[in-house]
Amino acid sequence: AQSVSQHNHHVILSEAASLELGCNYSYGGTVNLFWYVQYPGQHLQLLLKYFSGDPLVKGIKGFEAEFIKSKFSFNLRKPSVQWSDTAEYFCAVDSAGNKLTFGGGTRVLVKP
Amino acid sequence: KAGVTQTPRYLIKTRGQQVTLSCSPISGHRSVSWYQQTPGQGLQFLFEYFSETQRNKGNFPGRFSGRQFSNSRSEMNVSTLELGDSALYLCASSLIGPGGGGYTFGSGTRLTVV
Repeated sequence: AQSVSQHNHHVILSEAASLELGCNYSYGGTVNLFWYVQYPGQHLQLLLKYFSGDPLVKGIKGFEAEFIKSKFSFNLRKPSVQWSDTAEYFCAVDSAGNKLTFGGGTRVLVKP
Repeated sequence: KAGVTQTPRYLIKTRGQQVTLSCSPISGHRSVSWYQQTPGQGLQFLFEYFSETQRNKGNFPGRFSGRQFSNSRSEMNVSTLELGDSALYLCASSLIGPGGGGYTFGSGTRLTVV
């Protein structure tokens, strides 16, 4: 069965610091990849997605992610975080075309 | 354009009861999937419907069921509720085909079983 690993459960950083969240998945075939964000008290929102093409994907709010097929990874990055980026971030993989498998999530706390 | 609408937002039920949750997808989205979110297990896939047919199902007991109507609205039902069914139930809709593939989530229904 497909599995998704997010290695950092909690990340604490200061404003203006750079952020990188790791995501690895287990499926060896064709996958669609997603990063979602859940702000406190809000619903899941799509940050970015990768289906094919350029492995460097740009999303909303200055986030980007890089798909490295050989490493089964899809890491999320942001060069300079803001306090408003405090949230929980979820990596998700769709290998069946109609089902998302989520990682366990990473709680990010940005200190002002 | 309206997002994914889930009703009700909150529910409190007693063990042994049953519950029905509703999801209205984004207009034009024909795929609807359901997920359970708990602090311990995270986000887990329940099932997915497309054109009134269940195409995929997660590893949940038969007490969890769903259906989709011809207008793409979906309901999920949980019978014989257990305390462990307390969770946030999320619905996501997706546009299948060119330009699609992303999943838009609703705000969820928070179910508390007492």
